[in-house]
Amino acid sequence: SQQGEEDPQALSIQEGENATMNCSYKTSINNLQWYRQNSGRGLVHLILIRSNEREKHSGRLRVTLDTSKKSSSLLITASRAADTASYFCATHVGRDDKIIFGKGTRLHILP
Amino acid sequence: GAVVSQHPSWVICKSGTSVKIECRSLDFQATTMFWYRQFPKQSLMLMATSNEGSKATYEQGVEKDKFLINHASLTLSTLTVTSAHPEDSSFYICSVELAGADTQYFGPGTRLTVL
Repeated sequence: SQQGEEDPQALSIQEGENATMNCSYKTSINNLQWYRQNSGRGLVHLILIRSNEREKHSGRLRVTLDTSKKSSSLLITASRAADTASYFCATHVGRDDKIIFGKGTRLHILP
Repeated sequence: GAVVSQHPSWVICKSGTSVKIECRSLDFQATTMFWYRQFPKQSLMLMATSNEGSKATYEQGVEKDKFLINHASLTLSTLTVTSAHPEDSSFYICSVELAGADTQYFGPGTRLTVL
């Protein structure tokens, strides 16, 4: 089920610029994860942030989490053509750690 | 409304039995379907990719004879866990991708518990 919301739905930026994608959700979470998907391929896990964390870094990726606002952001710095993909956030909720996906942001990096 | 459905939403079975999980795209024909599994508190793991008109491509480490995937039609894919064991207990999610689209739609998932 896709109860989360990412915005924007689509984003086009010039290579070298930073890309920011946001994710909002509705219920309390155990953790939140960001995934990337290239057309025709399965999801690739990017980064996990736990509910008690506020920020995490991984290479050119920076993820923030604001549980009071029930939102997260994914920042890709110094974007590259290879970053063109769809990006999904997924929240893990409840005792059984059910996973709930957002609708995704389609990112296009212009040369 | 829902774009992708899965059935059943949860299933409990005895060790040694086989379980079939269905994934249906409700409003469109899906050229590509994916199957994932998720262990508690872990990220999704891609199990296999199924493309229209061809057999599923399994990821390394996934036994194709144990996890039978049948892309029966452009709107239906099934995952059969054969001779299930407790270690197969997991959350299984399918997703579908539209032809020419660069996004995918996820099913609600199936919780499998093997006793």
